[in-house]
Amino acid sequence: GAGVSQSPSNKVTEKGKDVELRCDPISGHTALYWYRQSLGQGLEFLIYFQGNSAPDKSGLPSDRFSAERTGGSVSTLTIQRTQQEDSAVYLCASSLRWTSGREHYSNTGELFFGEGSRLTVL
Amino acid sequence: GENVEQHPSTLSVQEGDSAVIKCTYSDSASNYFPWYKQELGKRPQLIIDIRSNVGEKKDQRIAVTLNKTAKHFSLHITETQPEDSAVYFCAASLQSGGYQKVTFGTGTKLQVIP
Repeated sequence: GAGVSQSPSNKVTEKGKDVELRCDPISGHTALYWYRQSLGQGLEFLIYFQGNSAPDKSGLPSDRFSAERTGGSVSTLTIQRTQQEDSAVYLCASSLRWTSGREHYSNTGELFFGEGSRLTVL
Repeated sequence: GENVEQHPSTLSVQEGDSAVIKCTYSDSASNYFPWYKQELGKRPQLIIDIRSNVGEKKDQRIAVTLNKTAKHFSLHITETQPEDSAVYFCAASLQSGGYQKVTFGTGTKLQVIP
């Protein structure tokens, strides 16, 4: 696609239910990131993927949060037994693999964000 | 891990004045410092970035400075316009082996008063 696509755009759920949020990155982008943005707050790092592996899961708030990426493309962020404090906008971003500038697809490492998934836990 | 602090959290300026946003980072190994702008209800977008081997970079009305010794960097917007009103995020990143982990600051809400 032309940009990073996230679904659903809005999700309202009841406390205790599980939710899945999906991110479809820009084609060819090998790196994928998940961030959380609470109302009026900054961008809280959750996890990032290099291909299908996640070298850094340190940002996941609890063991109720998990994420996977298959085929080096689509990623799913799963929140189990949702709590009210999970309410936020979950942003996904993707980027090309950063290079030194000598290859034709050289880039600075710019992150391209999706529109986000707004999660409301009642 | 990396920790990025950003100040101020809110900033109001008159149209035409300058705006400065400051950030500090904790990991001396970080080597890439991008700035993102998020307009209300929209996704963050890159506006300018700087690498650790450069002290200053300018793009029209915006400029970024970096002091590696002090581990701080700043965004400068001159001749502000109403369309500059947005939330600005600084970030620090360690680019290594072709990949990077990007840590963002808490954001600055800039309001430009016409």
